[in-house]
Amino acid sequence: GAVVSQHPSRVICKSGTSVKIECRSLDFQATTMFWYRQFPKQSLMLMATSNEGSKATYEQGVEKDKFLINHASLTLSTLTVTSAHPEDSSFYICSASDRGKQPQHFGDGTRLSIL
Amino acid sequence: TQLLEQSPQFLSIQEGENLTVYCNSSSVFSSLQWYRQEPGEGPVLLVTVVTGGEVKKLKRLTFQFGDARKDSSLHITAAQPGDTGLYLCAGAVERGFQKLVFGTGTRLLVSP
Repeated sequence: GAVVSQHPSRVICKSGTSVKIECRSLDFQATTMFWYRQFPKQSLMLMATSNEGSKATYEQGVEKDKFLINHASLTLSTLTVTSAHPEDSSFYICSASDRGKQPQHFGDGTRLSIL
Repeated sequence: TQLLEQSPQFLSIQEGENLTVYCNSSSVFSSLQWYRQEPGEGPVLLVTVVTGGEVKKLKRLTFQFGDARKDSSLHITAAQPGDTGLYLCAGAVERGFQKLVFGTGTRLLVSP
């Protein structure tokens, strides 16, 4: 089946640091990738949708200058949390699909902890 | 804004009991998916339902999509400790590409 690899699985860093999370589709071409955030004991909230070669579409309330998304190839999308603060601590999950079709294939998430 | 409300939010039962989780919305979805998520991992797809009124079975799990494609239910028969996890419904929104709206989640704990 389709595999999505997310890296790193966990990161702990100091406040003010920028953190990059990678999402790779290992055995298919992901024309569309989605980035979600999940706070403890809550559901997944879509942050943004990225299509290969174009700018990401952000959901209402998500700061595009804070969460930089790059989808430069059909197998890789990155999410950079710029100048991270403790309130950005969360579980970030990516998913990938071929041309936005269902199903989306999910990565295993990245636990981000900002001290 | 499409919202998917799940009930109950939390369910703690004994092994062997039956349970039903509900997923309700005022919006119509082109399809609806159910996922199970373990702590520290991404969600794993259980099933996709597409047609209003559709019923799908996956071993002890029975999924139903409402006739109007606004709601869904998940019924588990004879629950086992391995069923423990966070159950999420997600509705697909078609806007050129399909975006998923996730439900509020149901945390299930099955004790031996």
